[in-house]
Amino acid sequence: AQSVTQLGSHVSVSEGALVLLRCNYSSSVPPYLFWYVQYPNQGLQLLLKYTTGATLVKGINGFEAEFKKSETSFHLTKPSAHMSDAAEYFCAVSGVPGGSEKLVFGKGTKLTVNP
Amino acid sequence: GAVVSQHPSWVICKSGTSVKIECRSLDFQATTMFWYRQFPKQSLMLMATSNEGSKATYEQGVEKDKFLINHASLTLSTLTVTSAHPEDSSFYICSARTGYPSGANVLTFGAGSRLTVL
Repeated sequence: AQSVTQLGSHVSVSEGALVLLRCNYSSSVPPYLFWYVQYPNQGLQLLLKYTTGATLVKGINGFEAEFKKSETSFHLTKPSAHMSDAAEYFCAVSGVPGGSEKLVFGKGTKLTVNP
Repeated sequence: GAVVSQHPSWVICKSGTSVKIECRSLDFQATTMFWYRQFPKQSLMLMATSNEGSKATYEQGVEKDKFLINHASLTLSTLTVTSAHPEDSSFYICSARTGYPSGANVLTFGAGSRLTVL
């Protein structure tokens, strides 16, 4: 079984500050990891994904995440927050194609960006 | 890029009535679509996997007679909430898999449908 834990349901940063959203996963098979963003009353938009290869993954809007197998983590970062980054962020895990491909989401972290 | 369209965005209905939500893949064919339910300030819970031309696979605890899923074509899946009650009020989101097999289980999500049952 796979699971995702997002530490901190709410994160507040100042505009221009570093954004760090934490995600830890549990998986009995090599995981595929994802970060999605959700704006109010909208669906989810893929920010980035890790499948294989380079452990530092760059996504859209200046976000990046690093897969650390030893720590079972996939934290999301952005060097400088913008007001437009305020949204809900979801970390998700799935197995490899052909295996358990269901996407399991964390509970989400709401990011607030203060001017 | 891949676009998934959901309709309606908002729907209000009376208790006991049925509501249909459509999910369309606009520029690609989706043999598999997924229906999620999101409660306020909570994560997405997978309800069922919709497979074109076959029966949907429901997650444990989801009433298949309450939430009817039909995937009649490669671009359309529908979710019908039958005999809706206030506790069915929620945000329903569909998604379709893109980038597979060349990609890795990348899902494109619709914008969601907010159902309010009075």
